[in-house]
Amino acid sequence: GESVGLHLPTLSVQEGDNSIINCAYSNSASDYFIWYKQESGKGPQFIIDIRSNMDKRQGQRVTVLLNKTVKHLSLQIAATQPGDSAVYFCAEEGAGGGNKLTFGTGTQLKVEL
Amino acid sequence: DTEVTQTPKHLVMGMTNKKSLKCEQHMGHRAMYWYKQKAKKPPELMFVYSYEKLSINESVPSRFSPECPNSSLLNLHLHALQPEDSALYLCASSQEGDTQYFGPGTRLTVL
Repeated sequence: GESVGLHLPTLSVQEGDNSIINCAYSNSASDYFIWYKQESGKGPQFIIDIRSNMDKRQGQRVTVLLNKTVKHLSLQIAATQPGDSAVYFCAEEGAGGGNKLTFGTGTQLKVEL
Repeated sequence: DTEVTQTPKHLVMGMTNKKSLKCEQHMGHRAMYWYKQKAKKPPELMFVYSYEKLSINESVPSRFSPECPNSSLLNLHLHALQPEDSALYLCASSQEGDTQYFGPGTRLTVL
């Protein structure tokens, strides 16, 4: 069946370092991928998205890479700051649409001062 | 503006109570969603409304009853809930096939 999973449940980085959060997906028909950030007690916040016709997309301090060959998605955060501490979820939407997102299990990012 | 609002922020209810959760967006989005999120878990889809019609029900128990009065509002009516229904209930909205934007959630506790 479909699954979207993350390789590491917790990632600790030093302030100022770059962070890389990984995500594997199993549905090769998925064509839209989103990264969300969720701080404690808040709803998921959109960070960046990418469609399957691209392999890289950059935002402000964040980059998403999509490798369709191995069905792998990653989120890179440059110069990680304490405010980046949160749980990060990847999510995928299938090619059939239907507005149905499948979320990965989440990675807790901890930024150490 | 990418704001989705939800009320109340917190709700405590007994198993015999009837309560409602409310969600509102003014982004002109035509799809609205209810998700349930348990601690340290990802959001789980419950319902999807598209153009004010229920398009997806993820086999949610009938003690949860969604309602979409108009294109900006989404309600979730709760009745005879169980303690295991305690969770963060998230509302989201989007254009069709586009990014879903989430509200802050309602923290529900069922006693």
